Amino acid sequence: AQSVTQLGSHVSVSEGALVLLRCNYSSSVPPYLFWYVQYPNQGLQLLLKYTTGATLVKGINGFEAEFKKSETSFHLTKPSAHMSDAAEYFCAVRGGSNYKLTFGKGTLLTVNP
Amino acid sequence: SAVISQKPSRDICQRGTSLTIQCQVDSQVTMMFWYRQQPGQSLTLIATANQGSEATYESGFVIDKFPISRPNLTFSTLTVSNMSPEDSSIYLCSVESGDGYEQYFGPGTRLTVT
Repeated sequence: AQSVTQLGSHVSVSEGALVLLRCNYSSSVPPYLFWYVQYPNQGLQLLLKYTTGATLVKGINGFEAEFKKSETSFHLTKPSAHMSDAAEYFCAVRGGSNYKLTFGKGTLLTVNP
Repeated sequence: SAVISQKPSRDICQRGTSLTIQCQVDSQVTMMFWYRQQPGQSLTLIATANQGSEATYESGFVIDKFPISRPNLTFSTLTVSNMSPEDSSIYLCSVESGDGYEQYFGPGTRLTVT
């Protein structure tokens, strides 16, 4: 079984400030981890993924995430928020070869001018 | 990455009727997935559709309510049957990437049942 917990359903930051969106997971097997972004009235776009290898992964739009096995975390960060980053962000996990993706409840990011 | 289109993009339907949602991919894929995203909620997997076999449904979803077709490697349909207001959601299809790690999502179909 696998699950995802996203801390904070709503995060608000100022433009230029650090973005930190938290994700903790549970998985009975080594996980594959993903962050997706959903802009209003659109589908989901993959931001980044961790499968194996380097634990710090870089994605599109300046986002990055670090896989910390000891903390079962996969937090998403961006050094400087931009207005265009305002969207809903979903963390997801799959248990290795098991294709099933389990999503967190999402975090709505608001960027204030 | 795959390019996925869905039709319709949105619809408003009366309770008791059915709606069929189409999902088209620009490349051949083995596995296609259908998700539901209820208002303000996360995504929940409805079923997995492999070409040439019956769809596999997740707990809480049944074939009579959500029949799925997968006639070839680039196309699938999901029907929402005998709709009620509780079926008002965004329905998304997705496909697995070539390397089998991530899933790519279509733009979704926004369904409102009145």
